[in-house]
Amino acid sequence: GAGVSQTPSNKVTEKGKYVELRCDPISGHTALYWYRQSLGQGPEFLIYFQGTGAADDSGLPNDRFFAVRPEGSVSTLKIQRTERGDSAVYLCASSSTGGAYTEAFFGQGTRLTVV
Amino acid sequence: AQRVTQPEKLLSVFKGAPVELKCNYSYSGSPELFWYVQYSRQRLQLLLRHISRESIKGFTADLNKGETSFHLKKPFAQEEDSAMYYCALGSSASKIIFGSGTRLSIRP
Repeated sequence: GAGVSQTPSNKVTEKGKYVELRCDPISGHTALYWYRQSLGQGPEFLIYFQGTGAADDSGLPNDRFFAVRPEGSVSTLKIQRTERGDSAVYLCASSSTGGAYTEAFFGQGTRLTVV
Repeated sequence: AQRVTQPEKLLSVFKGAPVELKCNYSYSGSPELFWYVQYSRQRLQLLLRHISRESIKGFTADLNKGETSFHLKKPFAQEEDSAMYYCALGSSASKIIFGSGTRLSIRP
């Protein structure tokens, strides 16, 4: 594809349910990032993958959040026992090599609403 | 701690007027600074980065290490500049930290 693709674009779930958010990065990009953006705020870092491994997961708020990238391409962000406070836009980005000096390309985001 | 501060939530200027979006950062190492922009109904995208020292769409930003600032400037605002602007800091740990953003509104 031409850019980073995220599915679904919108997700409404009930409090306590489990959700999975998918990210398809740009082909060949080794670095992948997940961010969360709440209303009126900037993107908040969650986790960064280099290849298949999580190079930095310091932004995950608690153990209900988990992300995988088993083949170094597609990534899934998983949220267990969702809470209303998890409602936000979840953004995925990829870059060619990662690191502080490379441009990150963003997806359109998944808007998660927990009711 | 790494931090990016954008003190203005909203900046409204008339078309043709100069624009300055403020950004201050806190980082103990050698920073890499970016400006990202999000136009209405579009995804977040890179506008410019410190290391490239380039002007994009008439915008420039100079890194001032003494004042720990990376303000975004444009001498003459255009209506199509209306958007959300985010200042961002790249760290040695490879994650990018974003500020809370400034909404720029250009009045005709």
